[in-house]
Amino acid sequence: AQTVTQSQPEMSVQEAETVTLSCTYDTSESNYYLFWYKQPPSRQMILVIRQEAYKQQNATENRFSVNFQKAAKSFSLKISDSQLGDTAMYFCAFSAGGTSYGKLTFGQGTILTVHP
Amino acid sequence: DTGVSQDPRHKITKRGQNVTFRCDPISEHNRLYWYRQTLGQGPEFLTYFQNEAQLEKSRLLSDRFSAERPKGSFSTLEIQRTEQGDSAMYLCASSLSSHEQFFGPGTRLTVL
Repeated sequence: AQTVTQSQPEMSVQEAETVTLSCTYDTSESNYYLFWYKQPPSRQMILVIRQEAYKQQNATENRFSVNFQKAAKSFSLKISDSQLGDTAMYFCAFSAGGTSYGKLTFGQGTILTVHP
Repeated sequence: DTGVSQDPRHKITKRGQNVTFRCDPISEHNRLYWYRQTLGQGPEFLTYFQNEAQLEKSRLLSDRFSAERPKGSFSTLEIQRTEQGDSAMYLCASSLSSHEQFFGPGTRLTVL
């Protein structure tokens, strides 16, 4: 079974600054995917970024990038130039590949507050 | 908007009653997932369908829970004899095969 751990219950950052959210995971799978999801207050969860484990290159999506350390089983999210709209709960998630793809295991979440 | 929709958005029921939730996925999506999220926690996987076939059920899904997806379109999640521990947000998501999952707004269940 997979586990996903987010050790930072809450984080805060000033607008325009950079913040990094941490995530570690445990799995015996060799083929898997990692995700960061954003859940704004009272709004739907949306995908921020996805990383395929077989890719060494870290994924980036505009202001969002990840630091994927496969050997350490670490998957952190960096948000650059933080904006007020980034305020949300952020979840790290894992999915095995192959026929099990899509069944997500989530971490406990990190509440991120961006201050003006 | 043709996103994932869920109905009802809120449900308050008394312990022991049965409840049923509905999820309408994005129309061309063949996969549909149900998750449960308690306050301050990450969602937990319950079950998923590929078209009309239910491919996997979590051990969290006790005998009181049943899900269906007739004709591979909308899905229903029924909870029989509700308990206070069933109080949670029930999330539905859909995807086109192994692509991104799109989540619905959820149904918040409160069992009194």
